[in-house]
Amino acid sequence: GAGVSQSPSNKVTEKGKDVELRCDPISGHTALYWYRQSLGQGLEFLIYFQGNSAPDKSGLPSDRFSAERTGGSVSTLTIQRTQQEDSAVYLCASTGGTGVASPLHFGNGTRLTVT
Amino acid sequence: DQQVKQNSPSLSVQEGRISILNCDYTNSMFDYFLWYKKYPAEGPTFLISISSIKDKNEDGRFTVFLNKSAKHLSLHIVPSQPGDSAVYFCAARSNYQLIWGAGTKLIIKP
Repeated sequence: GAGVSQSPSNKVTEKGKDVELRCDPISGHTALYWYRQSLGQGLEFLIYFQGNSAPDKSGLPSDRFSAERTGGSVSTLTIQRTQQEDSAVYLCASTGGTGVASPLHFGNGTRLTVT
Repeated sequence: DQQVKQNSPSLSVQEGRISILNCDYTNSMFDYFLWYKKYPAEGPTFLISISSIKDKNEDGRFTVFLNKSAKHLSLHIVPSQPGDSAVYFCAARSNYQLIWGAGTKLIIKP
């Protein structure tokens, strides 16, 4: 597809279970971001991948969160032992550069509900 | 500490009139400011941006104004159309990072 694809679009899980969220960026985009948006809040940065560089994980809220990007393309965000406060929309975005002329292209997000 | 603030959670405007969305920031090191628009169940889409060295950027019905001394920017939409009803996010760039406001929900009344 032409855009950023995220799956699943919705995920309901029980507290304590692990979940894996997937992001397929736009082909050729070297930069990939994960954000989350809680109700009524702005986008909260989680992690940033740029090419083969070490990712910026400074936004991950706890060690229950991890992400990887295989082959510089698909990325997965894993949340272990989910908690109710993890409920949010998780958004992935990619861009072909770091300049403002290359704005972020977002997927439609994964809505995670932890019961 | 919120570096980017959108103090109006929602705004209602008559179709055909001007919509003005506001955003304040605290960090004078931001070099670009961007507006994104978000429809329900979709990701944000880029709308318009402005460099910190400019005070105005216009693209069709959309104009962004930057007042650096006041650390304030605004997005003007004129004339407003029903399809403009969405949540608008202001974001400020620092290196490769974007710092986001909480969004303003714009409702265009017919």
